Amino acid sequence: NAGVTQTPKFQVLKTGQSMTLQCAQDMNHEYMSWYRQDPGMGLRLIHYSVGAGITDQGEVPNGYNVSRSTTEDFPLRLLSAAPSQTSVYFCASSYSGQGIGELFFGEGSRLTVL
Amino acid sequence: GQSLEQPSEVTAVEGAIVQINCTYQTSGFYGLSWYQQHDGGAPTFLSYNGLDGLEETGRFSSFLSRSDSYGYLLLQELQMKDSASYFCAVPQTGANNLFFGTGTRLTVIP
Repeated sequence: NAGVTQTPKFQVLKTGQSMTLQCAQDMNHEYMSWYRQDPGMGLRLIHYSVGAGITDQGEVPNGYNVSRSTTEDFPLRLLSAAPSQTSVYFCASSYSGQGIGELFFGEGSRLTVL
Repeated sequence: GQSLEQPSEVTAVEGAIVQINCTYQTSGFYGLSWYQQHDGGAPTFLSYNGLDGLEETGRFSSFLSRSDSYGYLLLQELQMKDSASYFCAVPQTGANNLFFGTGTRLTVIP
């Protein structure tokens, strides 16, 4: 049981490049989400999904795109990377919604945009 | 909007007890969660309080008072491995997910 798996763990991009952060979970969770974590700012919600084919915006969605074609996968796309997107990105999944119960996090993807 | 307030840093001695407070302002409150994060690691779930009162899980306890919009995490018999950041979180308004505080960095000293 791998839980939540994120790839890559580290990535360096140049301004304007695009890339996709991958996230997969094997717990059959309907709810998945992406957070970014910056020093002193805690975790901020980027996008989330309540099931395959359903996504919605969180607190800081600009510059990011998501899709949810299967229950297992929830990739995050950076359309045109900017230095302000330098951050640590965490994917999470949960069995229940409404913020009730445990969120399971991946190990994080550390992104640097030059 | 939503807001969560928790101290930015706390230092405590190994073997002692420490309390990390969290006050919140939110609508549609469903409960208060706590997460632990070691440096370079992922957040991990510690506890969830949906009702008022104390929830105990081993050395860790969490308390909620909905009338005071306040909760705390209590860590007993502190160990060096408890040095980490601790985040309180509430359901995010308009989203099916959590809104996190900025975290409390706990340093346990010998």
